[in-house]
Amino acid sequence: AQSVTQLDSHVSVSEGTPVLLRCNYSSSYSPSLFWYVQHPNKGLQLLLKYTSAATLVKGINGFEAEFKKSETSFHLTKPSAHMSDAAEYFCVVRGGYSTLTFGKGTMLLVSP
Amino acid sequence: KAGVTQTPRYLIKTRGQQVTLSCSPISGHRSVSWYQQTPGQGLQFLFEYFSETQRNKGNFPGRFSGRQFSNSRSEMNVSTLELGDSALYLCASRGVREDSPLHFGNGTRLTVT
Repeated sequence: AQSVTQLDSHVSVSEGTPVLLRCNYSSSYSPSLFWYVQHPNKGLQLLLKYTSAATLVKGINGFEAEFKKSETSFHLTKPSAHMSDAAEYFCVVRGGYSTLTFGKGTMLLVSP
Repeated sequence: KAGVTQTPRYLIKTRGQQVTLSCSPISGHRSVSWYQQTPGQGLQFLFEYFSETQRNKGNFPGRFSGRQFSNSRSEMNVSTLELGDSALYLCASRGVREDSPLHFGNGTRLTVT
C-alpha cells in the first residue's frame, strides 16, 4: 500500500520570497515521485519527477525537489515566487505496477 | 507533438441521463487513464487502459465504464447520472516505460442538474 500526505492545504507567500510545499509519502516499493501543477480549469502539468536517480531533482519554472528516503519526504521548493506560480500543486507517488496515489493538493497563493 | 485532447470541454446533463467523454492521447502513447476530480474528494482514479484492455480499475460503481480503441483513443461513459457525478474528468496518457509520467488533458467539466 502507499499513501501521500501534503502537509499544507494552503500556502501563502509574497512575490520574490521562497516557496516550500511539503509532501510525505509511504510506499512498500521503491517509489517514483512526481509533482504536478494545476491552474484553474486546466489539466495537471508535470513539474518534475524522481525515479531513483539523483535525489535532487530540477523541474520546470525554477522548481526543484529533494527526495529524502530517511524522512520519506519529497518537498517542492523554489527560491523566488512569481505571481504566475499561483496554482494548486499535487504530489504523486507511484508504487507498484500502475498504482498512482495523489495527494490532496496544496493551493499556493502569491501576493504582490 | 500535440498534447492530450479531451472533448467536450463542458457538459451539462440532467439526472438519469448518460454521458460519453472522449480522450485522444499523445501520439505513440498506448496507456490512457481517467480520473475524477471534485473539491471534496480530490483526484480519484477511475480506470486505466493499455492496448484496448482495462489494466486497472478504481473504486467506482459499475455506472462508470470505459473503453479504448485500436488507435489508443479512449471513451468514458457514465450511465444514470447522479448529482454527485458533477466533477472535472481528467484523462492522462503515458509512454510504455513504467516510470513514464502522466500527461494530462484539460479535462471535461460535467455538471449534472
